[in-house]
Amino acid sequence: EAQVTQNPRYLITVTGKKLTVTCSQNMNHEYMSWYRQDPGLGLRQIYYSMNVEVTDKGDVPEGYKVSRKEKRNFPLILESPSPNQTSLYFCASSGTPGLSNYGYTFGSGTRLTVV
Amino acid sequence: RKEVEQDPGPFNVPEGATVAFNCTYSNSASQSFFWYRQDCRKEPKLLMSVYSSGNEDGRFTAQLNRASQYISLLIRDSKLSDSATYLCVVRPGTGGFKTIFGAGTRLFVKA
Repeated sequence: EAQVTQNPRYLITVTGKKLTVTCSQNMNHEYMSWYRQDPGLGLRQIYYSMNVEVTDKGDVPEGYKVSRKEKRNFPLILESPSPNQTSLYFCASSGTPGLSNYGYTFGSGTRLTVV
Repeated sequence: RKEVEQDPGPFNVPEGATVAFNCTYSNSASQSFFWYRQDCRKEPKLLMSVYSSGNEDGRFTAQLNRASQYISLLIRDSKLSDSATYLCVVRPGTGGFKTIFGAGTRLFVKA
């Protein structure tokens, strides 16, 4: 089944404790992206990657890191989480612009609480 | 001005009604347009792409007006299961990958 898999689904952590949210896709998509969703603010792009070893900042990259060492994986790293990073996070992937698979497929989301 | 703006919601409609969602975008270089549906606390799911000539998928019709930088989604014969948030999405296409989501419009379909 074609899918984007995120883990964990739920995470409660303390301020300053480094964490990683994993994301993996099995569709051989070039493009992957991380979003956070907050009430009243909608989905905001954190980072995106156009292919292996190619990443760029989205609208709200502060406090986050990403890496793209393999095509299928795109982990999101919070080196020193803070309470304002409490949010619902989504990973998404898509194919190449112009092709029929250009729409996003989203993971199921990770609900992160930083206390 | 937001890059992608949608109708403020929520929309409350009876079953069987026709409902229209509107969306405007500010970047005239935008090339790809989509409507997504998001159920409460779930991931967004692609509802349909929006093509220049307009396109239809069952009860759903999407329209694009590039001159006015406007996208619309029409749902005919609303079902209870159509209750969700509808997100307008704009992507620049080749040469750029920054994707912008509208804030979404909540739809409640009532019996």
